[in-house]
This record gives sequence, C-alpha cells and structure tokens, in this order.
Amino acid sequence: DSGVTQTPKHLITATGQRVTLRCSPRSGDLSVYWYQQSLDQGLQFLIQYYNGEERAKGNILERFSAQQFPDLHSELNLSSLELGDSALYFCASSDGSLYGYTFGSGTRLTVV
Amino acid sequence: EDQVTQSPEALRLQEGESSSLNCSYTVSGLRGLFWYRQDPGKGPEFLFTLYSAGEEKEKERLKATLTKKESFLHITAPKPEDSATYLCAVQAGGSQGNLIFGKGTKLSVKP
Repeated sequence: DSGVTQTPKHLITATGQRVTLRCSPRSGDLSVYWYQQSLDQGLQFLIQYYNGEERAKGNILERFSAQQFPDLHSELNLSSLELGDSALYFCASSDGSLYGYTFGSGTRLTVV
Repeated sequence: EDQVTQSPEALRLQEGESSSLNCSYTVSGLRGLFWYRQDPGKGPEFLFTLYSAGEEKEKERLKATLTKKESFLHITAPKPEDSATYLCAVQAGGSQGNLIFGKGTKLSVKP
C-alpha cells in the first residue's frame, strides 16, 4: 500500500456523461498531481494542487477540472466524456522532496 | 521542449541474462531523474531518484546511472519477477514538481 488511495478502481460509463474520480493523498503530503495514462501516450501530467490551490496545469482538456479540499483529498471531474477519454487515471502525492513522490493504484475509466 | 525517450520499447531476456535500459532526456535544468516500475493495471512504484551526472544508485538486481544526457537502468541476472514496464521521468528545475515521463520499456524475463 503506497498510502495514496484512489476510488473507484474501475468505472464504466457512456459517452456524454460526467464522472468524478477521488484521491486521498499520503498522510502529510500537501501536493496532489493527476496523470492520465493511455496505451499510446504514456503518462501525461494533467494538473497539480498544493494545499488547496491550483499550482500547475499540463495537458488537461477544458472538459476536465479538479479541486483539492481542506482535508487535502482531491477530485478530478471529467465531463462530456468521449471514447478517447478511456484511460487509467493516476493520482500522486508529494511532500515536496524528491523522494516523496508516490502514486496511487489508479482508476480505470472505460467510456462506451 | 522538455522530453524523455526510452529504449528499447520492449526487451525479452532469459533468466540470468543481464542487460540495460536507456533513458535519454532533454530538460531545462534537471532537478531530478526518476525510475519507476509499473506492473499491469497498477500504479508506478518508485525505484530511484538521481540528481546529478555521475550519480549511481543500486537496489537488489537494479543499478541506475546518470549522465548529462541519459540514464541507464542496469539489470543484473534478472529473474521472472523482474518482468514489468520500467518508466523513466524527469522533473525540470522550473516546474512545480510535475514529472515528464517516457513511454517506458516493457521487460519480459523468461525462466
């Protein structure tokens, strides 16, 4: 157990729908990162939050949004889903050091 | 543009047959280079962080090295349980901490 918890593990939904993925960071970590992993693209950075505030954005679509709550858990919202959004979505948390970058076990999203 | 290229894409070894995986990178101000292991359907598992050229780190049958342009992950006398995808990532000096990943090398070790 890495200490980073992601729910749900699997999600199947239809095109056009909206889903929410949840991440609880490792205890004490203030930074949360979201990544998308598809078969042909590898791991792509989406967005980072630090102590409730957005810190950096990567290749995140406008249909996607995220937030981090006062208890430091984070949610990634995906809307108007398309078939191409099917992927593994990972959350990672960090204590700011170069040793403390830890990934969760991911949410597998399938859009049908 | 910051980028990471890993080679080969896939590698098949016999148990006990040592080899190396390559990670070439272009980054503006390297803060750290990371190696992760990823099993199918699982999250990346941290292996090493390297900071500066010339640095080496070892863990069991794995040894990671770093130069100014590339990193190598050497696998000595691999076992079937070493089969996984190995991911290389860099953190740029000007970033807020996000990692830039290569596409990985899928390693298969046959008994």
